[in-house]
Amino acid sequence: AQSVTQLGSHVSVSEGALVLLRCNYSSSVPPYLFWYVQYPNQGLQLLLKYTTGATLVKGINGFEAEFKKSETSFHLTKPSAHMSDAAEYFCAVSVPTGRRALTFGSGTRLQVQP
Amino acid sequence: NAGVTQTPKFQVLKTGQSMTLQCAQDMNHNSMYWYRQDPGMGLRLIYYSASEGTTDKGEVPNGYNVSRLNKREFSLRLESAAPSQTSVYFCASSEGQGGTYEQYFGPGTRLTVT
Repeated sequence: AQSVTQLGSHVSVSEGALVLLRCNYSSSVPPYLFWYVQYPNQGLQLLLKYTTGATLVKGINGFEAEFKKSETSFHLTKPSAHMSDAAEYFCAVSVPTGRRALTFGSGTRLQVQP
Repeated sequence: NAGVTQTPKFQVLKTGQSMTLQCAQDMNHNSMYWYRQDPGMGLRLIYYSASEGTTDKGEVPNGYNVSRLNKREFSLRLESAAPSQTSVYFCASSEGQGGTYEQYFGPGTRLTVT
């Protein structure tokens, strides 16, 4: 079975500062990894994904994440935070067999201070 | 394309009442999923359907039933609602076997059981 741990349920940064949201996963087979963003009272929107190939993946809104197998991590970064980045972010893992459902972390709420 | 749509957006039930949450997708996806979101717990899989005519239990299926009515529609039924089922419910879809792995989410249904 897969699992995801997101370190820090709340992260606060200043506008223009680096955003770093941490995600570690556990999987017995090579995983597929995702970051989703959820704005208040909305559904989840895919930010980026890693399936195979290049380990540094770029997503929408200037976000990127790097798959590090040795560290079982998939941290999300953005060089310069914008007020509009304030939202909840979920890391998720899936495997390419069976149901392919997503196993989610508990989420990190990002606050951006002016 | 509307993507994934869910009805209703909000619902209040009394303990013991029943209701059906509706979900439809217009992306010709094979797989569909129901998740519930509770504070601090991320999203947890209730049921999924790999293809039309098939359904299977997820992590938290107790108290729920599903119907994959056709390729587009996947409904979730609460036969006898309980306060523990107060949650936000999300439907999602993906291409499924042989396709891409990301899931697309609906806007959610906020359910309160009193």
